[in-house]
Amino acid sequence: GQQLNQSPQSMFIQEGEDVSMNCTSSSIFNTWLWYKQDPGEGPVLLIALYKAGELTSNGRLTAQFGITRKDSFLNISASIPSDVGIYFCAALYTGANSKLTFGKGITLSVRP
Amino acid sequence: DGGITQSPKYLFRKEGQNVTLSCEQNLNHDAMYWYRQDPGQGLRLIYYSQIVNDFQKGDIAEGYSVSREKKESFPLTVTSAQKNPTAFYLCASSRDRDTEAFFGQGTRLTVV
Repeated sequence: GQQLNQSPQSMFIQEGEDVSMNCTSSSIFNTWLWYKQDPGEGPVLLIALYKAGELTSNGRLTAQFGITRKDSFLNISASIPSDVGIYFCAALYTGANSKLTFGKGITLSVRP
Repeated sequence: DGGITQSPKYLFRKEGQNVTLSCEQNLNHDAMYWYRQDPGQGLRLIYYSQIVNDFQKGDIAEGYSVSREKKESFPLTVTSAQKNPTAFYLCASSRDRDTEAFFGQGTRLTVV
């Protein structure tokens, strides 16, 4: 089946640093999504990407839809303590059996 | 305010009892989903519905049941047949099956 790979499971960075995380698959998708989940809350959609090669920003966040359609990355610049949380990638292949597939998430910790 | 409401936030039940988790959305979305989240396991799909009066099993449907009698409501029943029901449950909805999903705040179920 379709799987999205996110690693490592946890990342630890210093406040002010940039961090990049990627999401890879052996399958092709035509929509990539990035979510953030705060402890005890539901995931919140950060960025949606709809076209191969697309680069989209949302404040300090930048995400790109890989040109092969098999990967995506998310970059957070100048991290702050409230960036702490779990970052999930998700992807869709729209069609007869389309289903939203999620990665297992990366837990980000930011040291002040 | 448009959104997805899950209630209650915390739920405690005795082993052997069925329990129903509520999910309501006022986004006029056709598709709704239930996910289960356990530490380190990411999001696992329990059931989904693409239209009123229709729903499909996800990856871990055993021990759960759903109904979709109204477009805005998709309640999940955790039955006594579910071997390990203690978990964080997330409801989501999307305009249709080919678009990004938005999540509720989650319900943490503890069975004692």
